[in-house]
Amino acid sequence: GEDVEQSLFLSVREGDSSVINCTYTDSSSTYLYWYKQEPGAGLQLLTYIFSNMDMKQDQRLTVLLNKKDKHLSLRIADTQTGDSAIYFCAGTIVSGGYNKLIFGAGTRLAVHP
Amino acid sequence: NAGVTQTPKFQVLKTGQSMTLQCAQDMNHNSMYWYRQDPGMGLRLIYYSASEGTTDKGEVPNGYNVSRLNKREFSLRLESAAPSQTSVYFCASSSKGWTEAFFGQGTRLTVV
Repeated sequence: GEDVEQSLFLSVREGDSSVINCTYTDSSSTYLYWYKQEPGAGLQLLTYIFSNMDMKQDQRLTVLLNKKDKHLSLRIADTQTGDSAIYFCAGTIVSGGYNKLIFGAGTRLAVHP
Repeated sequence: NAGVTQTPKFQVLKTGQSMTLQCAQDMNHNSMYWYRQDPGMGLRLIYYSASEGTTDKGEVPNGYNVSRLNKREFSLRLESAAPSQTSVYFCASSSKGWTEAFFGQGTRLTVV
C-alpha cells in the first residue's frame, strides 16, 4: 500500500527559505498534494502538482517532484511567522475503484525571529 | 458560507458512552470522508462514501459506524467509546478528485 513519510519538525529563521521534504512509495498517484494546518484549524489545500510535472511555482511556494526517487518537496521563500503550521504531504491511491487520499505524518514548521 | 460543517467542535465522553459526529457539505460533492488525526501519525481514513447510498471501510474502521443520510450529510458513530478513540476527527468532501477537496474544522474528542 501507499506510504508517505515526512520529517516531523523544521525550525527556520524569519526571512529564510524553508524546505519540507516528503517521500512516497506508490508511484501511481496522479496528483501529489501539500496541505497546511494552522493551530486548532482544519486542513487547507496549499498546492498540488500533477505527476507528469517536475516543478510548480506559485508565488512564494515551489514544489519539486523527483519521480525517480519518489521525492516531493515544498519550498517556502521568505518564510514569515504566519507560515508556522503543520504541513502534510499527501498522495492518492485507487482502492475499490475510488480515489483515497493518504497523508504523511506532517511536518511542524516553527518560524522564529 | 459554503464548505464542510462539523458538529460538535469539542466533546468529552466517558468510556462506554455513545455519540454521533455530524458532517454536512453544501457543495454538491459526491464523495465524503472521515479521518482521524493523532500526533505523529498524520490523518488516517476511517470510512468513506463515494456516493449517496454507499459506504466503505478505510484504514481504521474498527469501533466506528457511518451513515450517508443523503448527499449532504455523512455521520460517524461511536457505539461504545474507548480511550483509544481520543483524537481529532475531520470530515472531508470532494468532487471528482482531491484537487477540489474541502475539510471541516474538526471535532476534538476526548474519551476518559
